[in-house]
Amino acid sequence: QQQVKQSPQSLIVQKGGISIINCAYENTAFDYFPWYQQFPGKGPALLIAIRPDVSEKKEGRFTISFNKSAKQFSLHIMDSQPGDSATYFCAASGETSGSRLTFGEGTQLTVNP
Amino acid sequence: ETGVTQTPRHLVMGMTNKKSLKCEQHLGHNAMYWYKQSAKKPLELMFVYNFKEQTENNSVPSRFSPECPNSSHLFLHLHTLQPEDSALYLCASSQGWTQNTEAFFGQGTRLTVV
Repeated sequence: QQQVKQSPQSLIVQKGGISIINCAYENTAFDYFPWYQQFPGKGPALLIAIRPDVSEKKEGRFTISFNKSAKQFSLHIMDSQPGDSATYFCAASGETSGSRLTFGEGTQLTVNP
Repeated sequence: ETGVTQTPRHLVMGMTNKKSLKCEQHLGHNAMYWYKQSAKKPLELMFVYNFKEQTENNSVPSRFSPECPNSSHLFLHLHTLQPEDSALYLCASSQGWTQNTEAFFGQGTRLTVV
C-alpha cells in the first residue's frame, strides 16, 4: 500500500524555468516531510525538509509548499539549472516511526540548457 | 572517509552464492537502515537497527540476513537470491531512531543476481 504518492514520474524543464513536483500522503500521523535529491551513481541526499507547523519553507531556489488539510506537499525549483537534473524523492515520517521514512516513487527531472 | 560508506559498489552473484554487503558510518549515529531501491519503485525500508538492536524487519525474506555488530557497522548477508532481488541496496544512518532527523545515505551497492 503506497502511503506517499508522487507525480510526475518524469519532468523536462528548460533552463530558467520552474520545476514543480507534487506529493500526497495518507497517514495523518506523518509530521516530517523531507525531499531527497539523487544523482546517478549516488545515494539520496537531503535537499530540504518541512514540518506541518509551517505552510512554506524556502532555501535558496528550492521551496516546499505544504497543505495540511489536503495532505499534500510540493517542491518548487525556481530558475532551474542543468545541474539540477536528478531524481527527486519526497518522503514522510511520523513521531511513532522515528526516522523510518516512507518514500514516494521518485521524479526524474531533466533541465535542458 | 566521511559519511556513510558502502562496499562493494557493484556485485554480480549467482543464485546459489553467498555474499555480504558492508556499510560503515563515520557520523557517530545510533540508527542504521537498509533500503532496497528498484527501478520505478519507491525506496523500500528493509531493516532498522537502533543501538545495534534490530527494531524493524519489514517482512523481508529470510534469504536476506542483517547483522549489526556495533553502531558504526551494518552488514547484509545474502544467500540463494532470486533474479528479482537485483536492485540498488542503500544503507543509511541517522542520529537517533526516535527523532525525525536527517537520514544520510551511502552510495549503494548495485546487485545483479544471475
